[in-house]
Amino acid sequence: QPVLTQPPSSSASPGESARLTCTLPSDINVGTYNIFWYQQKPGSPPRYLLYYYSDSDKGQGSGVPSRFSGSKDASANTAILLISGLQSEDEADYFCMIWASNESGVFGGGTKLTVL
Amino acid sequence: QVQLQESGPGLVKPSGTLSLTCAVSGGSISSSNWWSWVRQSPGKGLEWIGGMYHSGSTKYNLSLKSRVTISVDKSKNQFSLKLTSVTAADTAVYYCAALLAASGSFDYWGQGTLVTVSS
Repeated sequence: QPVLTQPPSSSASPGESARLTCTLPSDINVGTYNIFWYQQKPGSPPRYLLYYYSDSDKGQGSGVPSRFSGSKDASANTAILLISGLQSEDEADYFCMIWASNESGVFGGGTKLTVL
Repeated sequence: QVQLQESGPGLVKPSGTLSLTCAVSGGSISSSNWWSWVRQSPGKGLEWIGGMYHSGSTKYNLSLKSRVTISVDKSKNQFSLKLTSVTAADTAVYYCAALLAASGSFDYWGQGTLVTVSS
């Protein structure tokens, strides 16, 4: 079972951009996976935000603003969730997820985003 | 719009069996979704438990596979989770979720139900 590594916390100010990372282990290539991102606010279930495979293969969850976007840094074997024009309501936990080669779902540990 | 609602005991004794049901409304259990369970230990991250397609195909987290059964009841438009031989480590909020087969995303979630394993 691969481990997806996310920084436990991140912060940014309103109007700025937040860049949340999800690093895959070195033995699996981020370029070969759809990366899913979920947002969770306290006391609520997760909400699907988007998936990203490549610039030509990506998808946004229903009702998710376009200021949420995904990308990959192949050199760092890392998936990235970029939130631009940060708003106070974006303060939440963010989880990345992949479907591993054995068809198991694997979540990252999550990043708590604080909007200063 | 699919809506999901979990139900079941909030307290289970150690070594017992955790049983939860998820009622599906606003859509058919025979649609192209994997009916899934995800749990979250208090203050921790998310853990995929497994899922079932209406055809009967199942996928389980390998770490839980020996203890987990997910089933679908088409007549009641609901699906269920059974987790045997529970310990305190199984204490968590359990979410039912609909995984869209086409996208691989959990598009719909129940509100979650806390299950505590304690004597």
